[in-house]
Amino acid sequence: EVQLLESGGGLVHPGGSLRLSCAASGFTSIRYAMSWVRQAPGKGLEWVSTISTGDDTTYHAESVKGRFTISRDKIENALYLHMNSLIADDTAVYYCARSRSGSCLTCAFDIWGQGTMVTVS
Amino acid sequence: EIVLTQSPATLSLSPGERATLSCRASQTVDIYLAWYQQKPGQAPRLLVYDASNRATGIPARFSGSGSGTAFTLTISSLEPEDFAVYFCQQRTNWPLTFGGGTKVEI
Repeated sequence: EVQLLESGGGLVHPGGSLRLSCAASGFTSIRYAMSWVRQAPGKGLEWVSTISTGDDTTYHAESVKGRFTISRDKIENALYLHMNSLIADDTAVYYCARSRSGSCLTCAFDIWGQGTMVTVS
Repeated sequence: EIVLTQSPATLSLSPGERATLSCRASQTVDIYLAWYQQKPGQAPRLLVYDASNRATGIPARFSGSGSGTAFTLTISSLEPEDFAVYFCQQRTNWPLTFGGGTKVEI
């Protein structure tokens, strides 16, 4: 079964750091563009970051640029989000998501993890 | 940044009725718009991609239409499990953006 499983969320003080992980199973994640999407409590969805296939080019929302870094581990079949200089507005459930169509950077997200909660307080 | 505006914010309907959800873009997104369904405590689920293509396993009662700046998600006959929040998302330009959502309630 194709699945994504996030971990690493928790409570962190403003200015702190956290690393989120997303374990992929049932497929080879390096063959897909992968992304992080977040959702603040009671709010809508916000795209955060995307990493391409091949050369692992990364894209980040302006709100997190310079503070967050997306990366992946080919051996572990995992995706990561390194978050630094956290602020209250980063409080959200963070989802990892797979591009519907392999290397397509911006294709719709067809597989989502269950999410991991990050609270900055 | 492309802003997506969804309407109405809330749609109150009964099972068996037809639901029509709207998503308007601040500039053209061609056909590159997707729709997701989200239930409380769950991750979003892809329903429709590129305006009118149903995702794998999505029932035929869900259909998407539109192009340019105006899009519609139609649920032909609401089933009890369809009461949820629906989001649209564009992939034409960075940053990828989502609409604010439409809640379909009983």
